[in-house]
Amino acid sequence: GAGVSQSPSNKVTEKGKDVELRCDPISGHTALYWYRQSLGQGLEFLIYFQGNSAPDKSGLPSDRFSAERTGGSVSTLTIQRTQQEDSAVYLCASSLTGAGTEETQYFGPGTRLLVL
Amino acid sequence: LAKTTQPISMDSYEGQEVNITCSHNNIATNDYITWYQQFPSQGPRFIIQGYKTKVTNEVASLFIPADRKSSTLSLPRVSLSDTAVYYCLVALYSSASKIIFGSGTRLSIRP
Repeated sequence: GAGVSQSPSNKVTEKGKDVELRCDPISGHTALYWYRQSLGQGLEFLIYFQGNSAPDKSGLPSDRFSAERTGGSVSTLTIQRTQQEDSAVYLCASSLTGAGTEETQYFGPGTRLLVL
Repeated sequence: LAKTTQPISMDSYEGQEVNITCSHNNIATNDYITWYQQFPSQGPRFIIQGYKTKVTNEVASLFIPADRKSSTLSLPRVSLSDTAVYYCLVALYSSASKIIFGSGTRLSIRP
């Protein structure tokens, strides 16, 4: 695709419900990243995929958070039993290989999650 | 892990040169330094990247001293449209990978 896309763009849910956030990376990009950005704050790294594998999941804030990537393309970030503190913008990015720190990350527009 | 430190905010005026410095004392030998720009309600966008000395592109310059413990993003002749948050990034792609964005510098440009 032309860029990284994310869906939904906005999500309002009730406390305790599960949500799924989707990321479509740039076609051909091997590496995929998820970040969280709370209002007025910087970017908090959550998880990184190299292909379908996530080398390190320790950035996920709790065991309510999980992510998967299938076919080396689309990724889904799932938040179970959402809490109000989960309200934030969830950003996805992709890069060509993820093999070096010099790689440029291309970000999607984000999903704005509001937990009531 | 390389941690980055930036000023929280900066103000300047149109036509001025703006320099934003990022400290990264624990940068590793293989790490590059990358700067991103973020407008409200958008994802960050790549501005410039460097490893050492000076890098220049059509948007900005990046100055990195020999010890690489800091870097300075230089924006020449800023305009109102440069009002944004600027992030310094030093990434690690080791087996225990963590990607550390700085807290960001909120740059406000006034007429």
